Amino acid sequence: GAGVSQSPSNKVTEKGKDVELRCDPISGHTALYWYRQSLGQGLEFLIYFQGNSAPDKSGLPSDRFSAERTGGSVSTLTIQRTQQEDSAVYLCASSRDRTSGTEQYFGPGTRLTVT
Amino acid sequence: AQSVTQLDSQVPVFEEAPVELRCNYSSSVSVYLFWYVQYPNQGLQLLLKYLSGSTLVKGINGFEAEFNKSQTSFHLRKPSVHISDTAEYFCAVSRTSYDKVIFGPGTSLSVIP
Repeated sequence: GAGVSQSPSNKVTEKGKDVELRCDPISGHTALYWYRQSLGQGLEFLIYFQGNSAPDKSGLPSDRFSAERTGGSVSTLTIQRTQQEDSAVYLCASSRDRTSGTEQYFGPGTRLTVT
Repeated sequence: AQSVTQLDSQVPVFEEAPVELRCNYSSSVSVYLFWYVQYPNQGLQLLLKYLSGSTLVKGINGFEAEFNKSQTSFHLRKPSVHISDTAEYFCAVSRTSYDKVIFGPGTSLSVIP
């Protein structure tokens, strides 16, 4: 079946604007994860969803970052008042359920550039 | 808390030579261990994982890794590399079967013809 998809693939935005990044997990996968990959910080965990709830939000860098998941499927990561340090590739991953969550399938990422 | 160290940021190796990419982790509890590969301009792909059982784990593309609990290491090896193995390799740990994955800083493998 189809893998994890993310949109847009690239996003250029002006400093101070809000952006929304979308993730479509693999059908039937109940666990969903957001990560960020940047030059200075490597790969960082942002937030984890089990179904529609987020038991672990510990990686969100500031209150400008938020995420939601609806219908146990699509997730949206929102960054408000973007800053240049938000420039990074945002990766989404999904896994089947809590017990098999060890294998996470990654999407291609959204490259965000804040000018 | 868990952490992952990859001491070699860049590893150049000639084609058909063997390679070892080093990974050490720190954790106060048992962890699951992974190696992911990221080819240029592509997403992350799981190479192999250690959950339990045999300490020698075989993955895709001829790679294998050995879990050493006493040395808290999970080094990745391949006996003969190809040009197509040029990529970024990430070692990672996870505390539970559903927990977030903590990644190391990555090792850039460059295979020289």
